[in-house]
Amino acid sequence: DAEITQSPRHKITETGRQVTLACHQTWNHNNMFWYRQDLGHGLRLIHYSYGVQDTNKGEVSDGYSVSRSNTEDLPLTLESAASSQTSVYFCASSQGTAGSGNTIYFGEGSWLTVV
Amino acid sequence: GEDVEQSLFLSVREGDSSVINCTYTDSSSTYLYWYKQEPGAGLQLLTYIFSNMDMKQDQRLTVLLNKKDKHLSLRIADTQTGDSAIYFCAEAEGGYNKLIFGAGTRLAVHP
Repeated sequence: DAEITQSPRHKITETGRQVTLACHQTWNHNNMFWYRQDLGHGLRLIHYSYGVQDTNKGEVSDGYSVSRSNTEDLPLTLESAASSQTSVYFCASSQGTAGSGNTIYFGEGSWLTVV
Repeated sequence: GEDVEQSLFLSVREGDSSVINCTYTDSSSTYLYWYKQEPGAGLQLLTYIFSNMDMKQDQRLTVLLNKKDKHLSLRIADTQTGDSAIYFCAEAEGGYNKLIFGAGTRLAVHP
């Protein structure tokens, strides 16, 4: 079955280190998204991509970057990890436009702790 | 900007109906979604409704949409302990691909 996988599922890192969270989907979806989930805020969009070589900033993009060199992967990089980036990170993908009812599928999440 | 609001907590007795409410601000939203998140897991799409509909029913789930008041609700009939989870309301921003989520409503089901 097609799926979307994230790795690592759990990571502890130190302040100032560079961290990369991987996201891989096998549906051949054009659209991929990274969200972070924090108590009281729901899910907030970090970055998104509508296709290879396309990347866009979401509402909380500061301190994060993404690259899209192929259809299947959208890695999320924290350039210099900060304690405020301790969160649960969700990758998602979809084909077509959410506004047309196309389903957005979510990965299982990556728990990141910055100490 | 767009905003989606939900109450944070709901407690119901097993067998009763649960109603989770949501308000949104983007009048151009064409689809509105309900996602379920169980502890330690990702988000699972429960159902969605197109903006030209007032109601959608899917087994124990009923979605009601009041476009005038920009109010969305999810009713779960005969609530079971397995329904305990966080429920997120989301709108598709301006008809595009991005989903804007509410903060989530934690549903607790007790005997």
